[in-house]
Amino acid sequence: GENVEQHPSTLSVQEGDSAVIKCTYSDSASNYFPWYKQELGKRPQLIIDIRSNVGEKKDQRIAVTLNKTAKHFSLHITETQPEDSAVYFCAASLPTGNQFYFGTGTSLTVIP
Amino acid sequence: GAGVSQSPSNKVTEKGKDVELRCDPISGHTALYWYRQRLGQGLEFLIYFQGNSAPDKSGLPSDRFSAERTGESVSTLTIQRTQQEDSAVYLCASSFSGGSYEQYFGPGTRLTVT
Repeated sequence: GENVEQHPSTLSVQEGDSAVIKCTYSDSASNYFPWYKQELGKRPQLIIDIRSNVGEKKDQRIAVTLNKTAKHFSLHITETQPEDSAVYFCAASLPTGNQFYFGTGTSLTVIP
Repeated sequence: GAGVSQSPSNKVTEKGKDVELRCDPISGHTALYWYRQRLGQGLEFLIYFQGNSAPDKSGLPSDRFSAERTGESVSTLTIQRTQQEDSAVYLCASSFSGGSYEQYFGPGTRLTVT
């Protein structure tokens, strides 16, 4: 099956700086890569996703890049704000599979 | 409905008792997932339902765990003879179909086994 690794496990940045979270996956057939944000005590919510036919996707301050050759994808948050503080999970899914394979999460703290 | 709902929101039970958790997916979503999230941990896949196909039970940790789903509607997760290590938040998610579609999560049920 698929194996997703996520780094770092914790990340602290100053407000206004950029944050980068990286994930690697093992199965080259994976074709969908969502990122979820989970605030303390809340449910995970999708913030951005990318499919394997695209190398980069951007939505305001958030961007995701995908390198299929290297089998890794990254989340980039620019101009971070305190409300960006949360746990972020990456995931990968196969086109024929049932499961989303989640990374272990990154706890991001934005220091005002 | 507006989103995925789960009940109860909190459940405290004594060790050895059975518990039943409920999930109402978004109408029209054929795929339904159950996850377990221990405090400060990631999402642990438990089981997946897709339409009328046989469920993928590969993530269930023991035979004390079981789940059912009626067609494409409500699902229940049952934990028999609960143990303290079962304490966690149990999250349900639904999606339009399996695989490459966004999962919408419910608010979760916080289970505490005393």
